[in-house]
Amino acid sequence: GAGVSQSPSNKVTEKGKDVELRCDPISGHTALYWYRQSLGQGLEFLIYFQGNSAPDKSGLPSDRFSAERTGGSVSTLTIQRTQQEDSAVYLCASSLELGGTEAFFGQGTRLTVV
Amino acid sequence: GQNIDQPTEMTATEGAIVQINCTYQTSGFNGLFWYQQHAGEAPTFLSYNVLDGLEEKGRFSSFLSRSKGYSYLLLKELQMKDSASYLCAVRDGGGGNKLTFGTGTQLKVEL
Repeated sequence: GAGVSQSPSNKVTEKGKDVELRCDPISGHTALYWYRQSLGQGLEFLIYFQGNSAPDKSGLPSDRFSAERTGGSVSTLTIQRTQQEDSAVYLCASSLELGGTEAFFGQGTRLTVV
Repeated sequence: GQNIDQPTEMTATEGAIVQINCTYQTSGFNGLFWYQQHAGEAPTFLSYNVLDGLEEKGRFSSFLSRSKGYSYLLLKELQMKDSASYLCAVRDGGGGNKLTFGTGTQLKVEL
């Protein structure tokens, strides 16, 4: 596609429910990142996929968070048993190749846990 | 790991020049990026430095000193639309592509 696409753009969920956030990276980009941005804060790294290598999961805040990337393209971030502190904008980015330059960001999914 | 510091906020006047600093302490280094983020929007790429020195791109320039763990973003001829958050990010060494971001500098451009 022309850019990184994320869905849904907004999600309101009840505390304790599971949510899935989707990211469709730019075609051909081998690197894919998930970040979280709370109101007025910087970007918090969550997880990074690079080609067929094992993902870097070092930023996932708890075992309620998981992500997968199927076929080296689309990625899904899953949050189980959501908590109010999970409320944030979840941003996905992709870049062209290992050692490539800029990462391109999607518009994000605004998650609100009520 | 990475530790990235930048000022929380800055104010400047339309038409002026502003310099936004970023310092970093890292276990590895393979490039420094600056991104611009307007409120409610996704970050957009501004500049990339991997070697020491100044990279100029129109009204925006970015400088890097690897020995000092220091970078700055220079914005010239400020316009109201430059009011945004400016994010400094460092890429890990070792051939990886993981980007670690600072908390961002909120720039307000005033008349």
